[in-house]
Amino acid sequence: AQTVTQSQPEMSVQEAETVTLSCTYDTSESDYYLFWYKQPPSRQMILVIRQEAYKQQNATENRFSVNFQKAAKSFSLKISDSQLGDAAMYFCAYRSAGAGGTSYGKLTFGQGTILTVHP
Amino acid sequence: GAGVSQSPSNKVTEKGKDVELRCDPISGHTALYWYRQSLGQGLEFLIYFQGNSAPDKSGLPSDRFSAERTGGSVSTLTIQRTQQEDSAVYLCASTETGVRNEQFFGPGTRLTVL
Repeated sequence: AQTVTQSQPEMSVQEAETVTLSCTYDTSESDYYLFWYKQPPSRQMILVIRQEAYKQQNATENRFSVNFQKAAKSFSLKISDSQLGDAAMYFCAYRSAGAGGTSYGKLTFGQGTILTVHP
Repeated sequence: GAGVSQSPSNKVTEKGKDVELRCDPISGHTALYWYRQSLGQGLEFLIYFQGNSAPDKSGLPSDRFSAERTGGSVSTLTIQRTQQEDSAVYLCASTETGVRNEQFFGPGTRLTVL
């Protein structure tokens, strides 16, 4: 079974600064997807960024980028030019790319990191 | 278009009562997932529906939990004889067929069992 670990329960950053959230995972699969989701107080899970394991290039979405280290099974999220609206709980998640099995597409989540942005 | 909706937004119940939580997925999405988020925890998978196939119930924590999906659309998660440890946020997500496709989440139902 796959596991996802976020070792930072809480992080804080000054507005306009850069912060990195850590995530490690364990899997025996070679093909999979990794995600970062944002959950503000409204509880709505919002997809921030996605990485496909077969792609060596790190994904980027505007101010958000990842550092994907497949051999180390590490998947960190970097938020540049942090904004007050970035404050939320961030979850790292794993999804198998395999077509077999009945839990096709289910997400396995880490425990989350609460990000506070100071003005 | 409309996103995934869930009702009620909040539910307070007494220990031992049954509750029903509803999820309306995005129209046309064939796959539907239920997850549970306990206080301060990540989300844990509960159950998965795909079209008319038998659901994957491997994540349901006990036989007090059940779910159904009628007509391939609306889903209801039922918890019988609720316990205090059932208190959590229950999130529903839907997606089009295909593992590459993004899961869209609803706002969740916060269940409190007194």
